[in-house]
Amino acid sequence: GESVGLHLPTLSVQEGDNSIINCAYSNSASDYFIWYKQESGKGPQFIIDIRSNMDKRQGQRVTVLLNKTVKHLSLQIAATQPGDSAVYFCAEKGRGDYKLSFGAGTTVTVRA
Amino acid sequence: DTAVSQTPKYLVTQMGNDKSIKCEQNLGHDTMYWYKQDSKKFLKIMFSYNNKELIINETVPNRFSPKSPDKAHLNLHINSLELGDSAVYFCASSPGPFGGRIQETQYFGPGTRLLVL
Repeated sequence: GESVGLHLPTLSVQEGDNSIINCAYSNSASDYFIWYKQESGKGPQFIIDIRSNMDKRQGQRVTVLLNKTVKHLSLQIAATQPGDSAVYFCAEKGRGDYKLSFGAGTTVTVRA
Repeated sequence: DTAVSQTPKYLVTQMGNDKSIKCEQNLGHDTMYWYKQDSKKFLKIMFSYNNKELIINETVPNRFSPKSPDKAHLNLHINSLELGDSAVYFCASSPGPFGGRIQETQYFGPGTRLLVL
């Protein structure tokens, strides 16, 4: 399953399939990007991050892709599991800033 | 064991009351933050302290006042609560500058669910 466009609030994906969550950012000076997962009733949990000098970074079952030309960030989750059901946020930060600016979030629902 | 903790977890109160939310981190981080998450899950930074010094102060009503007694604690006091203050408030922390660069990864607490009646 894949979310497209600037923002799609929900993504439904079959268990075992790959998920792609997309995020567009507006600040061309942003040099750090991060993905968070927020489960119901909990705080956002760090998943993976990437700096602007990279275009791809892999973690355990997750990959973040950064396309600075079109200011686009994506999170790929391999072999999506029921435990991946959550709201996913992208966030960006400018060089030297303390402030993270968050996107609106995408709700991922995994179908059994 | 909890890295970033907040109290209380739930807070139900009447309009016009004054309330405080407390946050503590045991990660040894220098920087702490308060965020507000509205009913649409949008997360917005409110304040940030680095080593007890205020470094971020977004456009927030002055009824909200953060206080950092030491770098492991950041409390949020809210005066004259209004219905629109109902939200989930998250505390977060990050390592702060290291080797001349800001360490960006922020670690969030479990949130305080505030309901103003």
